[in-house]
Amino acid sequence: QVQLVQSGAEVKKPGASVKVSCKASGYTFTSYYMHWVRQAPGQGLEWMGIINLSGGNTNYAQKFQGRVTMTRDTSTSTVYMELSSLRSEDTAIYYCARTPYGGNSRFDYWGQGTLVTVSS
Amino acid sequence: DIQMTQSPSSLSASVGDRVTITCRASQSVNSYLNWYQQKPGKAPKLLIYAASSLQSGVPSRFSGRGSGTDFTLTISSLQPEDSAAYYCQQSYTTPYTFGQGTKLEIK
Repeated sequence: QVQLVQSGAEVKKPGASVKVSCKASGYTFTSYYMHWVRQAPGQGLEWMGIINLSGGNTNYAQKFQGRVTMTRDTSTSTVYMELSSLRSEDTAIYYCARTPYGGNSRFDYWGQGTLVTVSS
Repeated sequence: DIQMTQSPSSLSASVGDRVTITCRASQSVNSYLNWYQQKPGKAPKLLIYAASSLQSGVPSRFSGRGSGTDFTLTISSLQPEDSAAYYCQQSYTTPYTFGQGTKLEIK
């Protein structure tokens, strides 16, 4: 069965960086895209960007350009999202979610979420 | 960016009621519109994709309609387990954007 398993909660100080992982299993890793979506406490969902798991090319939301880096390791079927220059407003649950190639890009499977807390 | 606006922001309904949530896009997204359900402490779950296609395993009481800028999610007969937040999302163009959410409470 398809599973996306994310790394554990993180506590970071303002200005630091965080790297969250998402390990995929149960399907052909490179046949899908992976996205990162975040949710601040009590708030809605915010799309951060996408990585093509086959070629590794990325497309980031303008809001995160220059601060976010998405990478993948095809040997371990793992995707990474690194966010730098953290501020308190980055406190949120970060989700990885996959979409199929072609057609309608729907997030059909999600990771369990990783809470990142930014606090001095 | 395409703005997605949902209404209402919250609603309360009884078991067995028919419930409709509306989502409006700031420009046409054709049928590139998806609906998700999120329960507290859980990741969102895909309900409807491409405006009206039911995701595998989702109960048939959920349905979606619309195209262009106006969309609806309908629950035909509300069940206690449907208490959750619901989000629409456009996948017409990046950045993909979500509605602000509709919180559904069971009376």
